Amino acid sequence: GEDVEQSLFLSVREGDSSVINCTYTDSSSTYLYWYKQEPGAGLQLLTYIFSNMDMKQDQRLTVLLNKKDKHLSLRIADTQTGDSAIYFCAETGAGNTPLVFGKGTRLSVIA
Amino acid sequence: DAMVIQNPRYQVTQFGKPVTLSCSQTLNHNVMYWYQQKSSQAPKLLFHYYDKDFNNEADTPDNFQSRRPNTSFCFLDIRSPGLGDAAMYLCATSSASNEQFFGPGTRLTVL
Repeated sequence: GEDVEQSLFLSVREGDSSVINCTYTDSSSTYLYWYKQEPGAGLQLLTYIFSNMDMKQDQRLTVLLNKKDKHLSLRIADTQTGDSAIYFCAETGAGNTPLVFGKGTRLSVIA
Repeated sequence: DAMVIQNPRYQVTQFGKPVTLSCSQTLNHNVMYWYQQKSSQAPKLLFHYYDKDFNNEADTPDNFQSRRPNTSFCFLDIRSPGLGDAAMYLCATSSASNEQFFGPGTRLTVL
């Protein structure tokens, strides 16, 4: 079945850039997402990218997609302590098929 | 604001005592999902409704049932909760755009 892999932990200093990486196996993935989860909260959709795009930028967030290598990354510029959370990568095919999530990357921001 | 609402945010039940978690949405989305998320794990899809069509994941225990009486509401019924059912339960919705919006979750404790 489909699989999504992420590293489990990332630690950065406040003000630095964070890069969270994700790989997936489903070559028919149509949409790829990044969700943020703060402690005790639900998942907040940060951004998503269509599989026919290479890059998407939204304020401090930059998503890069290498479809050939099935690699997705999320870059957070000028990381702040409020960015500390778990970040989930997820993918889905077309037509409201269910999301397949990675295990999440816990981002710790050191002041 | 349009949103996904889950009640209650925290639910405590006794081993074997039926419990119902509720989800409502003001987004008028046709797809609603229930996920189970255990500590430090990715959300696991239990089932979803596409309009009134119910789609159960193959590995969802029979102990878990769902009802969707109308577009706005969806319920998760756990008939005989076990200790292993303690988790965060997340409701999500989506429409043709494929973006899934999550509620804040209900944290279930089983005593």
